[in-house]
Amino acid sequence: ELKVEQNPLFLSMQEGKNYTIYCNYSTTSDRLYWYRQDPGKSLESLFVLLSNGAVKQEGRLMASLDTKARLSTLHITAAVHDLSATYFCAGETSGSRLTFGEGTQLTVNP
Amino acid sequence: EPEVTQTPSHQVTQMGQEVILRCVPISNHLYFYWYRQILGQKVEFLVSFYNNEISEKSEIFDDQFSVERPDGSNFTLKIRSTKLEDSAMYFCARGGDTHEQFFGPGTRLTVL
Repeated sequence: ELKVEQNPLFLSMQEGKNYTIYCNYSTTSDRLYWYRQDPGKSLESLFVLLSNGAVKQEGRLMASLDTKARLSTLHITAAVHDLSATYFCAGETSGSRLTFGEGTQLTVNP
Repeated sequence: EPEVTQTPSHQVTQMGQEVILRCVPISNHLYFYWYRQILGQKVEFLVSFYNNEISEKSEIFDDQFSVERPDGSNFTLKIRSTKLEDSAMYFCARGGDTHEQFFGPGTRLTVL
């Protein structure tokens, strides 16, 4: 059974700073996803990482995948207030079932 | 533009009542999923549906739950006899050729 753990669960940072969210998973996962969720809203797909060494970037967010370490990271560069949200990673097993981590609640302070 | 729409946006029901949550895809898709999120908690997989059949279900998806696609378009999740602990956001997601899953806006279910 796939287990997904994120850390930290809560992150408060200042605008302009950099930080990394970590996502560890327990067994082989076909793909690794990152989603963003604003309060009371749905999940917005950010990245899909397909293979070892995959790196994807969109604006101030960059995601990477190390399948040997069973680790994905979401790096935030020069944070801005608009990035405040909860970020989830999810691993996919056969059948396309997504197993989510607990989420990292990010607050970016001015 | 949302990939799927869901109705209702909020459903309030009494314990023991049946509820039907609906998911309407914008265009033709074969893969559908239901997830739920209890307030403040992580998102949990319920069931996946491919080509009008259940392909996988979780331990949460017990006999109280059922899914169907009655008219070939709408995709429904039925809870036969709701319990207090069924209160959650229920998300429908659709999948595509790339297996990426796109989530609908969700239905908030409140069981009193």
